[in-house]
Amino acid sequence: NAGVTQTPKFQVLKTGQSMTLQCAQDMNHNSMYWYRQDPGMGLRLIYYSASEGTTDKGEVPNGYNVSRLNKREFSLRLESAAPSQTSVYFCASSDRGYNTEAFFGQGTRLTVV
Amino acid sequence: RKEVEQDPGPFNVPEGATVAFNCTYSNSASQSFFWYRQDCRKEPKLLMSVYSSGNEDGRFTAQLNRASQYISLLIRDSKLSDSATYLCVVNDMRFGAGTRLTVKP
Repeated sequence: NAGVTQTPKFQVLKTGQSMTLQCAQDMNHNSMYWYRQDPGMGLRLIYYSASEGTTDKGEVPNGYNVSRLNKREFSLRLESAAPSQTSVYFCASSDRGYNTEAFFGQGTRLTVV
Repeated sequence: RKEVEQDPGPFNVPEGATVAFNCTYSNSASQSFFWYRQDCRKEPKLLMSVYSSGNEDGRFTAQLNRASQYISLLIRDSKLSDSATYLCVVNDMRFGAGTRLTVKP
């Protein structure tokens, strides 16, 4: 009954370090998403993948890269972390894209110092 | 203008009150609409979809007004457990900033 699993749950990085946030879903969903959530800003879409093998930019893609490794996994990479990337990151998946319910992971709380 | 806008609140209401939130959207071609609920420091979860004719789920009623480009969420007989942030989602998974609701005894 895992649903969407994100790792790690918490991370502290120094400015300039790199890291990859992992996301996996076991619901056989086609679409996957990465969001960031900052106080008062709601969730902002970073990147999404409509299906295996495709990725597209969302509202705030700068400073991030993604990989849709297979149907289950969608990773988000910060190549050179900046304090402005301090945020809570959520991964989500949905069955048939935008018009269906999205299921979210529990989030990764990232602090860049 | 942002694609999706919500009144951030907070809305502080007593138990048993009726409260309504609106969410406006800018893209007149939008086709899909949802309300999500997010508890403090938790992930968002779907509360209900919003259909063109309006829909109800227990104490919750969602409506769509295409002419004025907004959706609404009405909560009747508020419970303490309704305290949360309510996020609207329009079309291509664009979220509003959320409206915070606190229900007090």
